[in-house]
Amino acid sequence: EDQVTQSPEALRLQEGESSSLNCSYTVSGLRGLFWYRQDPGKGPEFLFTLYSAGEEKEKERLKATLTKKESFLHITAPKPEDSATYLCAVITGGGNKLTFGTGTQLKVEL
Amino acid sequence: DAGVTQSPTHLIKTRGQHVTLRCSPISGHKSVSWYQQVLGQGPQFIFQYYEKEERGRGNFPDRFSARQFPNYSSELNVNALLLGDSALYLCASSLGSNEKLFFGSGTQLSVL
Repeated sequence: EDQVTQSPEALRLQEGESSSLNCSYTVSGLRGLFWYRQDPGKGPEFLFTLYSAGEEKEKERLKATLTKKESFLHITAPKPEDSATYLCAVITGGGNKLTFGTGTQLKVEL
Repeated sequence: DAGVTQSPTHLIKTRGQHVTLRCSPISGHKSVSWYQQVLGQGPQFIFQYYEKEERGRGNFPDRFSARQFPNYSSELNVNALLLGDSALYLCASSLGSNEKLFFGSGTQLSVL
């Protein structure tokens, strides 16, 4: 059974204080790893897809990387508007069924 | 372009009742998936439909059913509601059955 574990569960940063979120996975036949952002009471918003080890993607203050066992979401000089829950998910097998981790709740304070 | 739309946004039911949740995908998207998200957890896969056929089913009891219509919209039905069915129900659409998912804002279901 596919497993996705995210750490830490919660993270509090000061504005401008860079950090990384971790997503480790145990799957058979990874087809893709996804990062989503979720605001309270809203659905997940797509950020990145990574397909193979060594791949990196960037968007504004966010950078996602992938190894054979884990992925990192690096947040550089975060702002309060980056506060949200960040979800990691994997896709294996046929179709596009996502297996999600429990998320990291990020709060960025002034 | 409108994103994935879900209705209703909030719903309160009592145990034993039945509920129908509705979803309209992004225009041009032919695949719809349903997920259940309990507070503090990541979404859990319930169903995927593509071209009106079921393409996948998660580990949920037979009380949960769904269908997709010719216009690609979808309904999720839950019978004999239990307290544990209280959750945010998310619909997601994609262009094809193997494409990335775009989520709606969800229906918050409370079972009392």
